[in-house]
Amino acid sequence: NAGVTQTPKFQVLKTGQSMTLQCAQDMNHEYMSWYRQDPGMGLRLIHYSVGAGITDQGEVPNGYNVSRSTTEDFPLRLLSAAPSQTSVYFCASSYQAGGRGGYTFGSGTRLTVV
Amino acid sequence: TQLLEQSPQFLSIQEGENLTVYCNSSSVFSSLQWYRQEPGEGPVLLVTVVTGGEVKKLKRLTFQFGDARKDSSLHITAAQPGDTGLYLCAGEDSGAGSYQLTFGKGTKLSVIP
Repeated sequence: NAGVTQTPKFQVLKTGQSMTLQCAQDMNHEYMSWYRQDPGMGLRLIHYSVGAGITDQGEVPNGYNVSRSTTEDFPLRLLSAAPSQTSVYFCASSYQAGGRGGYTFGSGTRLTVV
Repeated sequence: TQLLEQSPQFLSIQEGENLTVYCNSSSVFSSLQWYRQEPGEGPVLLVTVVTGGEVKKLKRLTFQFGDARKDSSLHITAAQPGDTGLYLCAGEDSGAGSYQLTFGKGTKLSVIP
C-alpha cells in the first residue's frame, strides 16, 4: 500500500537546468495537486488536476508545467530552474475534488537551485 | 484567494500541559481539515470538519468548526512529546467550481519531556 510516491527525494540543480519531479499514486484518486512549501509561506498550490487529461493552474504556476496522461501519474516539470524555485515540493491526491475527504501527501522532494 | 490565519505560530510547552491552536478566516469554508507534519515528511490528515459547530475528538485531540464556518480550533489535552510537529489547517473554498484547498502557515508545536 504505497499511497503517493515522489521521486527524487533530494535534487540539486544549476540555474537554467530543467528537470521533472515524479509523482505516482496507487489509490485510483481522480484529484491530484502539486504544492511547494517555503519557510513562512506555508503550502502554496502550483498546479492541480481533476482527472486524466485535465489540468489547471494554482496560486504560483509560473515556471512549472504539468500533464496528466494517466490517473496514476502527475509529473511536475521545471522548464528553466531559478534560485527562487528552491523549495520542498509535495504531491497530493484525493478521491474528491477540492480535497474534501482529505489529501494523501507524498513525502516530498527537496530541491535546491544554485 | 481566501486566507487562513493560524495562531500561535510557535508553541513550546511541557509534557502534560493543555494547549489550543486557532485557525481563523474572514471567508466561509465548505469544510476544514487539520494536518500534522513531521520533519522531512508530508502532512498527514488528522480530521475533516464539515458542519458549522461540529466537534470531533481523536483521542486527546479535540477539533471544533465555528458556527459560521469561518474558524476552527484544535485543543490537545495532556500533550505528549509525540504530539510535536507542525499543525496545519486547510479550508475548502465554498465557491462554485473551485477545486482548491487553502492552507494556513501552520503552528509549530514542541512538547518538552
